Amino acid sequence: RKEVEQDPGPFNVPEGATVAFNCTYSNSASQSFFWYRQDCRKEPKLLMSVYSSGNEDGRFTAQLNRASQYISLLIRDSKLSDSATYLCVVNIYQGAQKLVFGQGTRLTINP
Amino acid sequence: SAVISQKPSRDICQRGTSLTIQCQVDSQVTMMFWYRQQPGQSLTLIATANQGSEATYESGFVIDKFPISRPNLTFSTLTVSNMSPEDSSIYLCSVVPLRRAEEETQYFGPGTRLLVL
Repeated sequence: RKEVEQDPGPFNVPEGATVAFNCTYSNSASQSFFWYRQDCRKEPKLLMSVYSSGNEDGRFTAQLNRASQYISLLIRDSKLSDSATYLCVVNIYQGAQKLVFGQGTRLTINP
Repeated sequence: SAVISQKPSRDICQRGTSLTIQCQVDSQVTMMFWYRQQPGQSLTLIATANQGSEATYESGFVIDKFPISRPNLTFSTLTVSNMSPEDSSIYLCSVVPLRRAEEETQYFGPGTRLLVL
Protein backbone atom coordinates (compact mmCIF):
# COMPACT_ATOMS: atom_id res chain seq x y z
CA ARG A 1 0.00 0.00 0.00
CA LYS A 2 1.32 3.45 -0.93
CA GLU A 3 2.08 5.75 1.97
CA VAL A 4 0.06 8.58 0.41
CA GLU A 5 -2.81 7.86 -1.97
CA GLN A 6 -4.81 10.34 -3.99
CA ASP A 7 -7.75 10.28 -6.34
CA PRO A 8 -6.31 9.04 -9.61
CA GLY A 9 -7.96 11.71 -11.77
CA PRO A 10 -7.70 13.29 -14.24
CA PHE A 11 -10.42 15.80 -13.43
CA ASN A 12 -11.90 17.88 -16.24
CA VAL A 13 -14.38 20.47 -15.00
CA PRO A 14 -15.92 23.66 -16.37
CA GLU A 15 -14.79 27.05 -15.19
CA GLY A 16 -16.66 28.13 -12.07
CA ALA A 17 -17.21 24.59 -10.79
CA THR A 18 -16.28 23.35 -7.34
CA VAL A 19 -13.64 20.61 -7.24
CA ALA A 20 -12.75 18.33 -4.33
CA PHE A 21 -9.60 16.25 -3.98
CA ASN A 22 -9.17 13.49 -1.44
CA CYS A 23 -6.03 11.95 -0.01
CA THR A 24 -5.31 9.25 2.55
CA TYR A 25 -2.07 8.45 4.32
CA SER A 26 -1.01 5.28 6.06
CA ASN A 27 1.76 6.33 8.46
CA SER A 28 0.41 7.39 11.84
CA ALA A 29 3.76 9.11 12.54
CA SER A 30 2.80 11.77 9.99
CA GLN A 31 3.09 15.15 11.60
CA SER A 32 2.35 17.83 9.07
CA PHE A 33 0.47 17.98 5.83
CA PHE A 34 0.52 20.08 2.70
CA TRP A 35 -1.00 20.56 -0.70
CA TYR A 36 1.41 21.52 -3.47
CA ARG A 37 0.54 22.34 -7.07
CA GLN A 38 2.77 21.52 -9.98
CA ASP A 39 2.35 23.11 -13.36
CA CYS A 40 3.54 21.30 -16.46
CA ARG A 41 7.36 21.24 -16.63
CA LYS A 42 7.68 23.28 -13.45
CA GLU A 43 8.68 22.54 -9.88
CA PRO A 44 6.08 21.89 -7.16
CA LYS A 45 4.94 25.02 -5.35
CA LEU A 46 3.36 25.12 -1.93
CA LEU A 47 -0.35 25.80 -2.15
CA MET A 48 -1.20 25.55 1.52
CA SER A 49 -0.46 23.75 4.74
CA VAL A 50 -3.26 21.66 6.23
CA TYR A 51 -4.21 21.98 9.89
CA SER A 52 -6.45 19.84 12.07
CA SER A 53 -8.85 22.74 12.54
CA GLY A 54 -9.17 23.15 8.79
CA ASN A 55 -7.96 26.21 6.99
CA GLU A 56 -9.06 28.43 4.16
CA ASP A 57 -7.15 30.62 1.74
CA GLY A 58 -9.45 32.46 -0.61
CA ARG A 59 -11.15 29.90 -2.85
CA PHE A 60 -9.16 27.03 -1.35
CA THR A 61 -10.16 25.06 1.74
CA ALA A 62 -8.11 22.24 3.25
CA GLN A 63 -9.27 19.76 5.86
CA LEU A 64 -7.45 17.15 7.92
CA ASN A 65 -8.97 14.23 9.80
CA ARG A 66 -6.24 12.58 11.83
CA ALA A 67 -8.50 9.78 13.10
CA SER A 68 -9.32 8.72 9.54
CA GLN A 69 -5.89 9.72 8.19
CA TYR A 70 -7.64 11.70 5.50
CA ILE A 71 -6.86 15.04 3.87
CA SER A 72 -8.98 17.03 1.46
CA LEU A 73 -8.73 20.11 -0.73
CA LEU A 74 -11.73 22.03 -2.00
CA ILE A 75 -11.47 24.58 -4.79
CA ARG A 76 -14.48 26.85 -5.23
CA ASP A 77 -15.31 28.96 -8.29
CA SER A 78 -12.51 27.32 -10.26
CA LYS A 79 -10.46 29.41 -12.70
CA LEU A 80 -8.64 28.43 -15.85
CA SER A 81 -5.39 29.16 -13.99
CA ASP A 82 -6.20 26.42 -11.47
CA SER A 83 -5.33 23.82 -14.11
CA ALA A 84 -2.36 21.91 -12.70
CA THR A 85 -1.42 18.72 -10.90
CA TYR A 86 -2.24 18.79 -7.19
CA LEU A 87 0.07 16.87 -4.90
CA CYS A 88 -0.92 15.67 -1.45
CA VAL A 89 2.19 15.72 0.74
CA VAL A 90 2.78 14.27 4.18
CA ASN A 91 5.70 15.06 6.47
CA ILE A 92 6.74 11.95 8.34
CA TYR A 93 9.12 12.58 11.21
CA GLN A 94 11.14 9.49 12.11
CA GLY A 95 14.28 10.94 13.59
CA ALA A 96 14.44 13.32 10.66
CA GLN A 97 11.98 15.09 8.43
CA LYS A 98 10.81 13.29 5.31
CA LEU A 99 8.21 14.47 2.82
CA VAL A 100 6.22 11.75 1.11
CA PHE A 101 4.33 12.75 -2.03
CA GLY A 102 1.15 11.33 -3.44
CA GLN A 103 1.17 10.61 -7.15
CA GLY A 104 -0.83 13.74 -7.84
CA THR A 105 -4.19 14.48 -9.40
CA ARG A 106 -4.27 16.31 -12.68
CA LEU A 107 -6.94 19.01 -12.94
CA THR A 108 -8.01 20.73 -16.13
CA ILE A 109 -10.44 23.63 -16.00
CA ASN A 110 -12.31 24.08 -19.27
CA PRO A 111 -13.65 27.44 -20.51
CA SER B 1 10.17 32.23 0.26
CA ALA B 2 13.82 31.54 -0.57
CA VAL B 3 15.11 31.98 -4.11
CA ILE B 4 16.61 28.68 -5.24
CA SER B 5 18.64 28.16 -8.38
CA GLN B 6 19.90 24.97 -9.96
CA LYS B 7 22.60 24.41 -12.54
CA PRO B 8 22.41 23.07 -15.15
CA SER B 9 18.74 23.48 -15.95
CA ARG B 10 18.97 20.60 -18.39
CA ASP B 11 21.54 18.30 -19.91
CA ILE B 12 21.89 15.40 -22.31
CA CYS B 13 24.59 12.94 -21.28
CA GLN B 14 26.13 9.75 -22.55
CA ARG B 15 25.78 6.58 -20.53
CA GLY B 16 28.70 5.83 -18.24
CA THR B 17 29.46 9.50 -17.57
CA SER B 18 28.67 11.53 -14.45
CA LEU B 19 26.88 14.84 -13.97
CA THR B 20 27.07 17.17 -10.99
CA ILE B 21 24.04 19.34 -10.26
CA GLN B 22 24.36 22.45 -8.14
CA CYS B 23 21.75 23.99 -5.86
CA GLN B 24 22.22 27.53 -4.54
CA VAL B 25 19.91 29.39 -2.14
CA ASP B 26 19.86 33.13 -1.54
CA SER B 27 19.36 32.84 2.22
CA GLN B 28 20.25 30.52 5.05
CA VAL B 29 18.30 27.31 5.28
CA THR B 30 18.08 24.65 7.94
CA MET B 31 17.68 21.65 5.68
CA MET B 32 18.35 20.77 2.07
CA PHE B 33 17.04 17.76 0.20
CA TRP B 34 17.42 16.13 -3.21
CA TYR B 35 14.48 14.56 -5.03
CA ARG B 36 13.96 12.71 -8.28
CA GLN B 37 10.85 12.93 -10.44
CA GLN B 38 10.74 10.34 -13.17
CA PRO B 39 8.56 10.89 -16.25
CA GLY B 40 4.89 10.84 -15.33
CA GLN B 41 5.64 10.13 -11.68
CA SER B 42 5.58 12.03 -8.45
CA LEU B 43 8.62 13.04 -6.41
CA THR B 44 10.83 10.58 -4.56
CA LEU B 45 13.29 11.66 -1.89
CA ILE B 46 16.87 10.65 -2.67
CA ALA B 47 18.63 12.02 0.38
CA THR B 48 18.92 14.75 2.96
CA ALA B 49 22.02 16.89 2.45
CA ASN B 50 23.68 17.47 5.82
CA GLN B 51 26.10 20.32 6.31
CA GLY B 52 29.56 19.11 7.23
CA SER B 53 28.66 15.42 7.30
CA GLU B 54 27.59 12.61 5.05
CA ALA B 55 24.14 12.81 3.47
CA THR B 56 21.31 10.61 4.74
CA TYR B 57 20.07 8.38 1.93
CA GLU B 58 16.64 6.86 1.48
CA SER B 59 16.09 3.22 0.77
CA GLY B 60 17.11 2.40 -2.79
CA PHE B 61 19.64 5.20 -3.08
CA VAL B 62 23.35 4.87 -2.28
CA ILE B 63 26.25 7.24 -1.89
CA ASP B 64 28.33 5.64 -4.63
CA LYS B 65 25.63 6.36 -7.19
CA PHE B 66 24.45 9.74 -5.85
CA PRO B 67 27.28 11.43 -3.92
CA ILE B 68 26.12 14.64 -2.26
CA SER B 69 28.03 17.55 -0.80
CA ARG B 70 26.86 20.44 1.35
CA PRO B 71 29.82 22.60 2.29
CA ASN B 72 27.75 25.43 3.79
CA LEU B 73 24.22 26.49 4.68
CA THR B 74 23.25 27.73 1.22
CA PHE B 75 24.86 25.36 -1.31
CA SER B 76 24.69 21.67 -2.17
CA THR B 77 25.62 19.41 -5.06
CA LEU B 78 24.24 16.09 -6.25
CA THR B 79 26.27 13.91 -8.61
CA VAL B 80 24.60 11.26 -10.73
CA SER B 81 27.39 8.76 -11.33
CA ASN B 82 27.96 6.21 -14.06
CA MET B 83 24.69 7.19 -15.70
CA SER B 84 22.35 4.88 -17.55
CA PRO B 85 19.14 5.71 -19.48
CA GLU B 86 17.16 4.76 -16.35
CA ASP B 87 18.62 7.85 -14.65
CA SER B 88 16.78 10.11 -17.10
CA SER B 89 14.65 12.19 -14.81
CA ILE B 90 14.13 15.60 -13.25
CA TYR B 91 16.31 16.21 -10.21
CA LEU B 92 15.10 18.82 -7.74
CA CYS B 93 16.59 20.30 -4.63
CA SER B 94 14.39 21.61 -1.88
CA VAL B 95 15.07 23.67 1.23
CA VAL B 96 13.51 24.60 4.53
CA PRO B 97 14.26 28.30 5.02
CA LEU B 98 15.60 29.25 8.41
CA ARG B 99 12.69 31.62 9.02
CA ARG B 100 10.19 28.84 8.20
CA ALA B 101 11.99 26.17 10.23
CA GLU B 102 9.15 25.67 12.70
CA GLU B 103 6.69 24.96 9.92
CA GLU B 104 9.12 22.57 8.18
CA THR B 105 7.79 23.85 4.87
CA GLN B 106 9.93 22.89 1.88
CA TYR B 107 10.46 25.04 -1.18
CA PHE B 108 11.72 23.59 -4.44
CA GLY B 109 14.29 24.66 -6.95
CA PRO B 110 13.36 24.77 -10.66
CA GLY B 111 14.81 21.32 -11.29
CA THR B 112 17.43 19.85 -13.62
CA ARG B 113 16.14 17.84 -16.57
CA LEU B 114 18.52 15.01 -17.37
CA LEU B 115 18.38 12.80 -20.43
CA VAL B 116 20.83 9.92 -20.65
CA LEU B 117 21.38 8.38 -24.06
